[in-house]
Amino acid sequence: GAVVSQHPSWVICKSGTSVKIECRSLDFQATTMFWYRQFPKQSLMLMATSNEGSKATYEQGVEKDKFLINHASLTLSTLTVTSAHPEDSSFYICSAGAEFAGGVSRQPQHFGDGTRLSIL
Amino acid sequence: DAKTTQPTSMDCAEGRAANLPCNHSTISGNEYVYWYRQIHSQGPQYIIHGLKNNETNEMASLIITEDRKSSTLILPHATLRDTAVYYCIVRVSNNNDMRFGAGTRLTVKP
Repeated sequence: GAVVSQHPSWVICKSGTSVKIECRSLDFQATTMFWYRQFPKQSLMLMATSNEGSKATYEQGVEKDKFLINHASLTLSTLTVTSAHPEDSSFYICSAGAEFAGGVSRQPQHFGDGTRLSIL
Repeated sequence: DAKTTQPTSMDCAEGRAANLPCNHSTISGNEYVYWYRQIHSQGPQYIIHGLKNNETNEMASLIITEDRKSSTLILPHATLRDTAVYYCIVRVSNNNDMRFGAGTRLTVKP
């Protein structure tokens, strides 16, 4: 079945560091991928929609200069948390779904295993 | 996409069927119902989806009412490993983002 791979699984770094998270669709192409953030004991919150070959679409309240998204190919999207601070510590998750001709599919989105980011 | 309402938490005895309800009274005719679950510290796992007919796969069954305003996810023989947060989501197509509510925390007890 469709698999989405996310890397790294966890990262610990100092405040002020920039961190890049990769999301790959392993056996299908995806022009659209989604990035979520989840704080402890809360649900997933959509941050942005990553679009291959064009700019990402950010949800209200999400700083685009803080969370840089690059969707360079049909199988890879990256999220870079720039100048990370302790309040950026969270569980970041991406998702993607197989697409079909015509751009409309009822197939489910598949999620990566998430990246746990801890900023000291 | 239509909003969903689920109970905050449920318990189920191991080996018994777990029935998780979801209300989606504002669902549109072209919106599908999707179910996912999230085990602690992992990404959400797809379970099943449907439009109006009941669906069954190796993981679960999905029962959708005739008016499509509610649905029930059935885990026929719950195991301890089924303990997770279960999310019911309605959306039109793959190109639409998936927005999560609070979900139902299912605890399967020995």
